Amino acid sequence: AQSVTQLGSHVSVSEGALVLLRCNYSSSVPPYLFWYVQYPNQGLQLLLKYTSAATLVKGINDFEAEFKKSETSFHLTKPSAHMSDAAEYFCAVINTGGFKTIFGAGTRLFVKA
Amino acid sequence: NAGVTQTPKFQVLKTGQSMTLQCAQDMNHEYMSWYRQDPGMGLRLIHYSVGAGITDQGEVPNGYNVSRSTTEDFPLRLLSAAPSQTSVYFCASRDPRDTQRNYGYTFGSGTRLTVV
Repeated sequence: AQSVTQLGSHVSVSEGALVLLRCNYSSSVPPYLFWYVQYPNQGLQLLLKYTSAATLVKGINDFEAEFKKSETSFHLTKPSAHMSDAAEYFCAVINTGGFKTIFGAGTRLFVKA
Repeated sequence: NAGVTQTPKFQVLKTGQSMTLQCAQDMNHEYMSWYRQDPGMGLRLIHYSVGAGITDQGEVPNGYNVSRSTTEDFPLRLLSAAPSQTSVYFCASRDPRDTQRNYGYTFGSGTRLTVV
């Protein structure tokens, strides 16, 4: 069975600092991996996805994530945080050809001025 | 605008009442799912459907029913509401043939349900 673990329920960074949100996955087959973002009182939006092509994936708003099979990780990064990045971020996994998407518990990002 | 529409946005129920959360999408997506979101637990899959007439259970199906009579609609029924069902409910859809989004979901804006 697939699972996703997000390390840290809350992360706080200063504006302009590096953002690093951690995600580790468990899957018996090559996974499809996703990051979603949720702004307050809204649904989730797809930020980026990994689908077995390039291991470094670029998404919207300068976010990117790197798939590392040896570490079973898919960490999300952004070089310079903006106040508008404050939101909750979810890592998710789905098996290739699978029907179910499994989400992590989420990491809330706070950005300090 | 095309997307996933959920109604109502807010609902308060008394214990034991039943109700249906509505979900409709106009993107001709085959796959639709219902999730509940609770603090510290992320999103948990309640039920999902891979096409009209086909539904299956997710991680937390107890107390909920679904049906998929059309591609567009995927209602979620609470049979006898309990306080443990207080949550935010999200409907999501995706098209497995969409190579641009590659299995990524489009989410509705959610229904905030309180059971008292």
